[in-house]
Amino acid sequence: DGGITQSPKYLFRKEGQNVTLSCEQNLNHDAMYWYRQDPGQGLRLIYYSQIVNDFQKGDIAEGYSVSREKKESFPLTVTSAQKNPTAFYLCASSAAGGRDGYTFGSGTRLTVV
Amino acid sequence: QKEVEQDPGPLSVPEGAIVSLNCTYSNSAFQYFMWYRQYSRKGPELLMYTYSSGNKEDGRFTAQVDKSSKYISLFIRDSQPSDSATYLCARNAGGTSYGKLTFGQGTILTVHP
Repeated sequence: DGGITQSPKYLFRKEGQNVTLSCEQNLNHDAMYWYRQDPGQGLRLIYYSQIVNDFQKGDIAEGYSVSREKKESFPLTVTSAQKNPTAFYLCASSAAGGRDGYTFGSGTRLTVV
Repeated sequence: QKEVEQDPGPLSVPEGAIVSLNCTYSNSAFQYFMWYRQYSRKGPELLMYTYSSGNKEDGRFTAQVDKSSKYISLFIRDSQPSDSATYLCARNAGGTSYGKLTFGQGTILTVHP
Protein backbone atom coordinates (compact mmCIF):
# COMPACT_ATOMS: atom_id res chain seq x y z
CA ASP A 1 0.00 0.00 0.00
CA GLY A 2 1.22 3.48 -0.85
CA GLY A 3 1.53 5.89 2.00
CA ILE A 4 3.63 8.16 4.13
CA THR A 5 5.39 6.91 7.24
CA GLN A 6 6.59 8.97 10.15
CA SER A 7 8.80 7.66 12.91
CA PRO A 8 8.98 7.49 15.79
CA LYS A 9 5.41 8.03 17.02
CA TYR A 10 6.67 9.42 20.33
CA LEU A 11 9.99 11.14 20.98
CA PHE A 12 11.47 12.64 24.09
CA ARG A 13 14.19 15.24 23.95
CA LYS A 14 16.39 16.59 26.67
CA GLU A 15 17.16 20.27 26.84
CA GLY A 16 19.98 21.20 24.45
CA GLN A 17 19.68 18.12 22.26
CA ASN A 18 19.04 17.93 18.56
CA VAL A 19 16.57 15.29 17.41
CA THR A 20 15.60 14.12 13.94
CA LEU A 21 12.13 13.08 12.86
CA SER A 22 11.84 10.69 9.96
CA CYS A 23 9.38 10.97 7.05
CA GLU A 24 9.27 8.51 4.15
CA GLN A 25 6.75 8.27 1.32
CA ASN A 26 6.24 5.73 -1.45
CA LEU A 27 3.58 7.68 -3.33
CA ASN A 28 6.05 9.02 -5.91
CA HIS A 29 5.10 12.54 -4.82
CA ASP A 30 7.39 15.40 -5.80
CA ALA A 31 6.51 17.71 -2.91
CA MET A 32 6.88 17.15 0.83
CA TYR A 33 6.02 19.31 3.81
CA TRP A 34 6.50 19.58 7.55
CA TYR A 35 3.84 21.08 9.79
CA ARG A 36 3.70 21.69 13.50
CA GLN A 37 0.38 21.40 15.36
CA ASP A 38 -0.30 22.99 18.72
CA PRO A 39 -3.65 23.05 20.51
CA GLY A 40 -5.84 25.89 19.27
CA GLN A 41 -3.38 26.97 16.56
CA GLY A 42 -4.04 24.61 13.73
CA LEU A 43 -1.22 23.51 11.46
CA ARG A 44 1.74 25.80 10.84
CA LEU A 45 4.19 25.22 8.01
CA ILE A 46 7.81 24.68 9.01
CA TYR A 47 9.54 23.72 5.74
CA TYR A 48 8.55 22.43 2.36
CA SER A 49 10.28 20.90 -0.63
CA GLN A 50 8.91 20.83 -4.15
CA ILE A 51 11.78 18.84 -5.64
CA VAL A 52 14.82 16.83 -4.59
CA ASN A 53 17.75 18.91 -3.33
CA ASP A 54 15.59 21.99 -2.89
CA PHE A 55 13.53 23.25 0.03
CA GLN A 56 12.06 26.50 1.33
CA LYS A 57 11.30 27.92 4.73
CA GLY A 58 7.72 28.03 5.86
CA ASP A 59 6.17 30.33 8.42
CA ILE A 60 7.99 29.03 11.50
CA ALA A 61 11.37 27.67 10.28
CA GLU A 62 13.53 29.07 13.09
CA GLY A 63 15.14 26.30 15.13
CA TYR A 64 14.47 23.63 12.50
CA SER A 65 16.44 22.20 9.59
CA VAL A 66 15.63 19.77 6.78
CA SER A 67 17.25 17.93 3.90
CA ARG A 68 15.86 16.42 0.70
CA GLU A 69 18.49 14.13 -0.72
CA LYS A 70 16.01 11.54 -1.99
CA LYS A 71 12.53 11.94 -3.42
CA GLU A 72 11.13 9.53 -0.84
CA SER A 73 12.61 11.11 2.28
CA PHE A 74 12.32 14.48 4.03
CA PRO A 75 13.74 14.32 7.57
CA LEU A 76 13.24 17.19 10.01
CA THR A 77 15.80 18.09 12.67
CA VAL A 78 14.61 19.98 15.71
CA THR A 79 17.66 21.82 16.97
CA SER A 80 18.48 23.12 20.42
CA ALA A 81 17.73 26.61 19.06
CA GLN A 82 14.02 25.75 18.98
CA LYS A 83 12.87 27.10 22.34
CA ASN A 84 9.47 25.47 22.53
CA PRO A 85 9.69 22.20 20.60
CA THR A 86 6.99 20.24 22.42
CA ALA A 87 4.30 19.69 19.76
CA PHE A 88 2.74 17.25 17.33
CA TYR A 89 4.71 17.17 14.06
CA LEU A 90 3.06 16.18 10.81
CA CYS A 91 4.72 15.33 7.53
CA ALA A 92 2.79 15.45 4.27
CA SER A 93 3.39 14.88 0.59
CA SER A 94 1.61 15.85 -2.59
CA ALA A 95 1.83 15.78 -6.32
CA ALA A 96 3.38 18.90 -7.83
CA GLY A 97 1.29 21.95 -6.99
CA GLY A 98 -0.69 20.21 -4.25
CA ARG A 99 -3.83 20.53 -6.32
CA ASP A 100 -5.18 17.14 -5.27
CA GLY A 101 -4.48 17.78 -1.62
CA TYR A 102 -1.93 16.38 0.75
CA THR A 103 -1.43 12.92 2.15
CA PHE A 104 -0.39 13.14 5.78
CA GLY A 105 1.59 10.80 7.94
CA SER A 106 0.33 9.75 11.35
CA GLY A 107 2.54 12.25 13.17
CA THR A 108 5.29 12.34 15.77
CA ARG A 109 4.64 13.63 19.25
CA LEU A 110 7.78 15.37 20.55
CA THR A 111 8.12 16.15 24.23
CA VAL A 112 10.93 17.99 25.96
CA VAL A 113 11.89 16.44 29.29
CA GLN B 1 -5.79 38.95 10.24
CA LYS B 2 -5.11 35.27 9.61
CA GLU B 3 -5.38 34.15 6.00
CA VAL B 4 -7.88 31.43 6.91
CA GLU B 5 -10.19 31.90 9.90
CA GLN B 6 -12.15 29.04 11.43
CA ASP B 7 -14.31 28.93 14.52
CA PRO B 8 -12.56 26.43 16.83
CA GLY B 9 -15.77 25.43 18.59
CA PRO B 10 -16.05 23.02 20.26
CA LEU B 11 -19.28 22.01 18.59
CA SER B 12 -21.49 19.33 20.14
CA VAL B 13 -24.53 17.92 18.34
CA PRO B 14 -26.87 14.94 18.75
CA GLU B 15 -26.65 12.01 16.37
CA GLY B 16 -28.60 12.63 13.18
CA ALA B 17 -28.19 16.41 13.24
CA ILE B 18 -27.03 18.49 10.30
CA VAL B 19 -23.65 20.01 11.04
CA SER B 20 -22.38 23.24 9.49
CA LEU B 21 -18.67 24.07 9.66
CA ASN B 22 -17.43 27.37 8.32
CA CYS B 23 -14.28 29.21 7.33
CA THR B 24 -13.50 32.63 5.94
CA TYR B 25 -10.41 33.66 4.05
CA SER B 26 -8.84 36.99 3.31
CA ASN B 27 -6.80 36.52 0.12
CA SER B 28 -8.82 36.52 -3.08
CA ALA B 29 -5.97 34.76 -4.89
CA PHE B 30 -6.89 31.50 -3.22
CA GLN B 31 -7.56 28.91 -5.86
CA TYR B 32 -8.34 25.59 -4.23
CA PHE B 33 -10.21 24.83 -1.04
CA MET B 34 -10.13 21.65 0.97
CA TRP B 35 -11.59 20.06 4.04
CA TYR B 36 -9.64 17.62 6.17
CA ARG B 37 -10.81 15.43 9.05
CA GLN B 38 -8.44 14.63 11.89
CA TYR B 39 -9.09 12.04 14.56
CA SER B 40 -7.31 12.39 17.88
CA ARG B 41 -3.57 11.67 17.68
CA LYS B 42 -3.77 10.95 13.93
CA GLY B 43 -2.79 12.77 10.78
CA PRO B 44 -5.47 14.70 8.86
CA GLU B 45 -7.19 12.95 5.97
CA LEU B 46 -8.59 14.70 2.94
CA LEU B 47 -12.40 14.78 2.84
CA MET B 48 -13.17 17.06 -0.06
CA TYR B 49 -11.62 19.66 -2.29
CA THR B 50 -13.01 22.16 -4.76
CA TYR B 51 -11.72 25.05 -6.82
CA SER B 52 -14.92 26.66 -7.98
CA SER B 53 -17.80 28.46 -6.39
CA GLY B 54 -20.89 26.40 -5.67
CA ASN B 55 -21.57 23.06 -4.04
CA LYS B 56 -19.86 19.70 -4.23
CA GLU B 57 -21.43 16.61 -2.71
CA ASP B 58 -19.90 13.33 -1.57
CA GLY B 59 -22.27 11.08 0.33
CA ARG B 60 -23.29 12.81 3.56
CA PHE B 61 -20.79 15.63 3.00
CA THR B 62 -21.33 18.84 1.02
CA ALA B 63 -18.63 21.45 0.48
CA GLN B 64 -19.78 24.94 -0.43
CA VAL B 65 -17.63 27.80 -1.70
CA ASP B 66 -18.73 31.41 -2.07
CA LYS B 67 -15.80 33.29 -3.59
CA SER B 68 -17.66 36.61 -3.62
CA SER B 69 -17.99 36.44 0.18
CA LYS B 70 -14.70 34.56 0.73
CA TYR B 71 -16.62 31.95 2.67
CA ILE B 72 -16.34 28.15 2.62
CA SER B 73 -18.55 25.65 4.41
CA LEU B 74 -18.79 21.94 5.05
CA PHE B 75 -22.17 20.40 5.79
CA ILE B 76 -22.56 16.94 7.30
CA ARG B 77 -25.98 15.33 7.02
CA ASP B 78 -27.22 12.63 9.37
CA SER B 79 -24.19 13.06 11.59
CA GLN B 80 -22.81 9.97 13.32
CA PRO B 81 -20.68 9.49 16.45
CA SER B 82 -17.90 8.36 14.10
CA ASP B 83 -17.88 11.90 12.66
CA SER B 84 -16.50 13.17 15.97
CA ALA B 85 -13.15 14.69 15.03
CA THR B 86 -11.41 17.97 14.30
CA TYR B 87 -12.28 19.44 10.91
CA LEU B 88 -9.72 21.63 9.17
CA CYS B 89 -10.35 23.89 6.22
CA ALA B 90 -7.44 24.73 3.95
CA ARG B 91 -6.65 26.71 0.87
CA ASN B 92 -3.99 26.30 -1.77
CA ALA B 93 -2.98 29.48 -3.57
CA GLY B 94 -1.26 29.48 -6.91
CA GLY B 95 1.55 31.70 -8.08
CA THR B 96 4.56 31.98 -5.77
CA SER B 97 2.72 29.98 -3.10
CA TYR B 98 2.52 27.04 -5.48
CA GLY B 99 1.76 23.87 -3.56
CA LYS B 100 1.52 25.39 -0.09
CA LEU B 101 -1.59 24.84 1.98
CA THR B 102 -2.71 27.27 4.67
CA PHE B 103 -4.99 25.78 7.32
CA GLY B 104 -7.61 27.18 9.60
CA GLN B 105 -7.38 26.48 13.33
CA GLY B 106 -9.73 23.52 13.12
CA THR B 107 -13.20 22.96 14.60
CA ILE B 108 -13.62 20.23 17.20
CA LEU B 109 -16.88 18.34 16.56
CA THR B 110 -18.51 15.87 18.93
CA VAL B 111 -21.56 13.89 17.85
CA HIS B 112 -23.19 12.23 20.84
CA PRO B 113 -25.52 9.23 20.58
